[in-house]
Amino acid sequence: EVKLVESGGGWVQPGGSLRLSCAASGFTFSSYNMDWVRQAPGKGLEWVSYISSSSSDIYYADSVKGRFTISRDSAKNSLFLQMNSLRDEDTAVYFCASSSGHIKDWGQGTLVTVSS
Amino acid sequence: DIVMTQSPDSLAVSLGERATISCKSSQSVLYSSNNKNWLAWYQQKPGQPPKLLIYWASTRESGVPDRFSGSGSGTDFTLTISSLQAEDVAVYYCLQYYGVPRTFGQGTNVEIK
Repeated sequence: EVKLVESGGGWVQPGGSLRLSCAASGFTFSSYNMDWVRQAPGKGLEWVSYISSSSSDIYYADSVKGRFTISRDSAKNSLFLQMNSLRDEDTAVYFCASSSGHIKDWGQGTLVTVSS
Repeated sequence: DIVMTQSPDSLAVSLGERATISCKSSQSVLYSSNNKNWLAWYQQKPGQPPKLLIYWASTRESGVPDRFSGSGSGTDFTLTISSLQAEDVAVYYCLQYYGVPRTFGQGTNVEIK
């Protein structure tokens, strides 16, 4: 069974930093591309970032470019999202997801709240 | 960026009736090298992550009931629920994965009439 478990969310003040993690199991993590997608309270889905299986290709949404960094550790079956210079509008549930072209499997999400 | 526009924003359908959701992209998501439309559909219930229903515009994900079907090509796509069940109450999203950034439609809320 595919399992994606996010952690690291919480409350942070504007300008602060958080590092999200996603632990993957039940599939060959090193063979899959991975994404982060977020959902602000009561809003729709917004794609945040993508990393290819080999980490050779990395992309970001314009809204987070220069502030967020995606990475992965295939030896630990883990995906990460380093979030710096956080803003109020980054408040959302952050989902990690596996992809092979389309986004396939999703974690339950971790809530990030940016507020003073 | 490719803009995805869904219609309607909200839809109320009687149990057992057909529900149809439209998704239009601002440019074609048909990739000529594999002749596939890079378009997927997801279902999201309250408090849950999205669930993949359809990919390549019309391929049903394993385990998804056959009352869900996807159609369309190029820039115009449709998700059809042939006979709405109570458990289908949810928000439905389309996603294009043809280009970067990946972009979602704004969502369509499906409820029982």
